[in-house]
Amino acid sequence: DARVTQTPRHKVTEMGQEVTMRCQPILGHNTVFWYRQTMMQGLELLAYFRNRAPLDDSGMPKDRFSAEMPDATLATLKIQPSEPRDSAVYFCASGRDRANEQFFGPGTRLTVL
Amino acid sequence: GQQLNQSPQSMFIQEGEDVSMNCTSSSIFNTWLWYKQEPGEGPVLLIALYKAGELTSNGRLTAQFGITRKDSFLNISASIPSDVGIYFCAGFYQGGSEKLVFGKGTKLTVNP
Repeated sequence: DARVTQTPRHKVTEMGQEVTMRCQPILGHNTVFWYRQTMMQGLELLAYFRNRAPLDDSGMPKDRFSAEMPDATLATLKIQPSEPRDSAVYFCASGRDRANEQFFGPGTRLTVL
Repeated sequence: GQQLNQSPQSMFIQEGEDVSMNCTSSSIFNTWLWYKQEPGEGPVLLIALYKAGELTSNGRLTAQFGITRKDSFLNISASIPSDVGIYFCAGFYQGGSEKLVFGKGTKLTVNP
């Protein structure tokens, strides 16, 4: 069945290292969202794309985070340099056009030591 | 930004009991979504609501879009152990962007 996939599922790294998270949206979905989930803040939208173009990245710390869609089947979220406060679960979600329903991937659990 | 107040924060119930949870806001919403998240997984969409007063069911789950458009309810009937998880409400508010706003979640524990 069609699902959003994310890799890696878990990542442990040291402060200062670069982290890259990848997402494959559901085939046919042209809108991709990146969320971060923490106990304190809950689910926060970091950025989203439509037809590979960034529409809003206001939720992302600009100095260290970057999000791209090299092609329609791949979205990436990079953190460089990573910091302990970046430790969280990062989710990718996809949807069609302006349709309201968003379908989430299993997440990448990031731990920065 | 806009906030959704979801309650209760947690629930401990016996198998077979019915469950109710709700989400409220000071803003008018155009869409309400209910998600369930299990440990180590992403949120899974359960029910989507698009019109005020709409009542939609998905198996033992029933959700309603409040008449005032500022609230939504989720009911689970005859709970079973696999209903355990965190239930999130989410929505798009009127005049807002395409950003989905999430509640903080209701953690449900079902005792067999």
